[in-house]
Amino acid sequence: NAGVTQTPKFRILKIGQSMTLQCTQDMNHNYMYWYRQDPGMGLKLIYYSVGAGITDKGEVPNGYNVSRSTTEDFPLRLELAAPSQTSVYFCASRLAGNDQPQHFGDGTRLSIL
Amino acid sequence: EDQVTQSPEALRLQEGESSSLNCSYTVSGLRGLFWYRQDPGKGPEFLFTLYSAGEEKEKERLKATLTKKESFLHITAPKPEDSATYLCAVRGNTDKLIFGTGTRLQVFP
Repeated sequence: NAGVTQTPKFRILKIGQSMTLQCTQDMNHNYMYWYRQDPGMGLKLIYYSVGAGITDKGEVPNGYNVSRSTTEDFPLRLELAAPSQTSVYFCASRLAGNDQPQHFGDGTRLSIL
Repeated sequence: EDQVTQSPEALRLQEGESSSLNCSYTVSGLRGLFWYRQDPGKGPEFLFTLYSAGEEKEKERLKATLTKKESFLHITAPKPEDSATYLCAVRGNTDKLIFGTGTRLQVFP
């Protein structure tokens, strides 16, 4: 199993550009998450999904959008990139149940210049 | 408000020098406390889940313990390959994971 796969690994955007960060998992997990990780800060939840067709905001959703049309895929969309969105973005997934840990991809490193 | 505080921020150990990392938390209705390891340029890798005070889990040189207010990650006789950032997170009634900022561990020969 590949687990959680994120693409691209690195990207540089200009202010105002748009892009989609891709996340796919092959573990048949219903729950999926998007986090951002900034230096010296804990992982912050952007959006999450408990199943196909269902998404909800996390702690820092402004400037982002998500969709969940399939169990496997959970893309994150940046519509108008801003320097404050420079960060490392992680996607995670898990099975239902309180005892289930989240499994993470290796991240997308995004710079907005 | 659910909160997680990890200490120390950074820790340097000589190979074989045992120590402990601390994770203090406040949460409404603890549903689980999770430890992760994160290597540079990688995503967090799951280590342990703890649910109730008094619980302990072990894996190789690592042992995690839990009380009602904090968790410890004990590292016994560490090796250089144990160098990483260790993250603690809690899941409460909101069903979301709240992460600490991590402890950056360096083990040198």
